[in-house]
Parts: sequence; structure tokens; C-alpha cells
Amino acid sequence: QQQVKQSPQSLIVQKGGISIINCAYENTAFDYFPWYQQFPGKGPALLIAIRPDVSEKKEGRFTISFNKSAKQFSLHIMDSQPGDSATYFCAASRGGATNKLIFGTGTLLAVQP
Amino acid sequence: ETGVTQSPTHLIKTRGQQVTLRCSSQSGHNTVSWYQQALGQGPQFIFQYYREEENGRGNFPPRFSGLQFPNYSSELNVNALELDDSALYLCASSPARGGYTFGSGTRLTVV
Repeated sequence: QQQVKQSPQSLIVQKGGISIINCAYENTAFDYFPWYQQFPGKGPALLIAIRPDVSEKKEGRFTISFNKSAKQFSLHIMDSQPGDSATYFCAASRGGATNKLIFGTGTLLAVQP
Repeated sequence: ETGVTQSPTHLIKTRGQQVTLRCSSQSGHNTVSWYQQALGQGPQFIFQYYREEENGRGNFPPRFSGLQFPNYSSELNVNALELDDSALYLCASSPARGGYTFGSGTRLTVV
């Protein structure tokens, strides 16, 4: 049973554009929602994370929007750059940042120059 | 900070064999988790260790086992390897409060 659904599977964006990746979750007990970036041959790297008591969090060009009632959250990458080309995973956990993460299936982002 | 280091980086094993993967956690991190990432998929939680005790387990059979040592380094052992065990195995460490730092993984191929 997939508890975190991620879309789209792949995304092509022009340099300078906005990349948007969406996730939906089922378990209302989840209380930590991170986004990870993974380059080929590397492990996932934490980009930004949010807890359900806020609706938005911004760090540089990366923003998480969180809709608790809809059980959805999304990653927005502003001014997308070719160096942002990677696979992005949303995840969720119950009981905080150190507990097991349930990952989405990933979005392969390609930013064209 | 040295980050999370895993060894080996690549490994080829024959079906039925046993394998041990190793992980050195980031300095100051006392929790270690292992994940399996099949090609084109998100990581799947295998288990977590905190202060040398298993502290949670995902939906993996008992032939997947682990250890955490006093210095917080860890091992993942897989017995009776199956073809479907071919994947990237990721180790992640975290401090008492805070998010995971992942290593670059061990690519295991079972033939």
C-alpha cells in the first residue's frame, strides 16, 4: 500500500522557469514532510522539510506548500537551473524527523538551458 | 563533519550467498537507518538502530539483519540472496533531533 503518492513521474522545465512537484499522503498521523534531491550515483540529500502546523516554508529558491485538509504538499523550485536536474523525492514520517521515512516514487526533473 | 560513508560502493554476489554492507555514521549521530532503493523507485525502509538496539523495522524478511556498534557505525547483513535483492542500499544517520543524512549507497547486484 503506497502511503505517499508523487506526481509527475518526470518533468521538463526551461531554465528560469518554475518546477512544481506534488505529493499526497494518506496517513493523518504523519507529522514531518521532507523533500530530497538525488543525483545519479549519490544518496538523497535533504532539501527542505515542513511540519503540518505551517502552510508554507521557503528556503532560497525552494518552497514547500502544505495543505493539511487536502493531505497534499508540493515543492516549488523558482528560477530553475540546469544544475537542479535530478530526481526529487517527497517523504513523510510519523513521530518526527528521526523516524522511518515513507518515500514517494520520485520525479525526474530536467531543466533545459 | 565527515558525512555518512558506506562500503563497498559496488558488489556483485551470486544467488544464495550472504553479504555484509558497512556504514560509518556522521559524527554526533546516534541513530542509523537502512533503506533499499530499487531502480527507478523511492527508498524503502529496512530497519533503524538506536544505541545498538533495533528501533523499528520495515516489511523485510528476517534474512535482512543488522548491527550497530558502540561508535554508532552499522552493518546490514543479507542471507540467502535473491535476484530481487539487487538494489542500491542506503545508510542514513541522524542526531537525536534532526533529519537524516544519507550516504551514497552500496550498489548490490545479485546474479
